[in-house]
Amino acid sequence: DAKTTQPPSMDCAEGRAANLPCNHSTISGNEYVYWYRQIHSQGPQYIIHGLKNNETNEMASLIITEDRKSSTLILPHATLRDTAVYYCIAAYYDYKLSFGAGTTVTVRA
Amino acid sequence: ETGVTQSPTHLIKTRGQQVTLRCSSQSGHNTVSWYQQALGQGPQFIFQYYREEENGRGNFPPRFSGLQFPNYSSELNVNALELDDSALYLCASSFGLAGAGDTQYFGPGTRLTVL
Repeated sequence: DAKTTQPPSMDCAEGRAANLPCNHSTISGNEYVYWYRQIHSQGPQYIIHGLKNNETNEMASLIITEDRKSSTLILPHATLRDTAVYYCIAAYYDYKLSFGAGTTVTVRA
Repeated sequence: ETGVTQSPTHLIKTRGQQVTLRCSSQSGHNTVSWYQQALGQGPQFIFQYYREEENGRGNFPPRFSGLQFPNYSSELNVNALELDDSALYLCASSFGLAGAGDTQYFGPGTRLTVL
C-alpha cells in the first residue's frame, strides 16, 4: 500500500470548515483513498472513500487532485463532536488498511 | 452504529494465558478483519477472513489465530499472552474484499490488558 503523510495535528473553529490534507505521492492507479476517524478509543468510523473523482456524502467531501498524489477531506461545518484522530489510508485490492499516526483534529468553541 | 459488535468490552489476563475475543459482523458481510491498536498508535492489521478462509495476514506470529463462522460471527484467539499484547482489538466487517472499493465497518473494540 502507498504510504500516506498527514500533519500530526490541527485546530479548527466550531462552525467553520475543516480542511484535512493528505499526501499519497506513491499511490498506484487502483488504490483507493479512504478516510476514517477515531474518537477517543472507540472503533474507527468510516467517513468517505474515492478513487479518482471527488466524492461527497452526508459527513464530508473528498477532493482528490488530478494526479492523485494528494487529497483533502473537508468537514463543511465542524462541531465539537468532530474532535478526533483522522486517518487517511491508501488501500489496494490486497485489503489491508494501513493506519498511520493520523491527524489529531481539535475543534474549538 | 455500524452493526458490528464485539465482546467482551474489557478483559484482564495474565502473561502466558490464552484469550478468545469475539466479533459479530453485519448480516451479509462475508469479510472480517482484525486489528490491534496499541496505546497512542494507529490500528495494525492482524489478518482477514473471507467466507471462513484466512485471506491474508499481517506481521503477527502464529499464536494469533482466528475463526470465522457461517453465522457472521468470528473469533480472535491469542495464545501464550505477552505483556505487549495489551491493546485495543478491533474487528471490522465488509461485504466483499476490503480495499477493493468496499468499506470496512469497525466494532467498538475489546480492551485487553495483560498483567
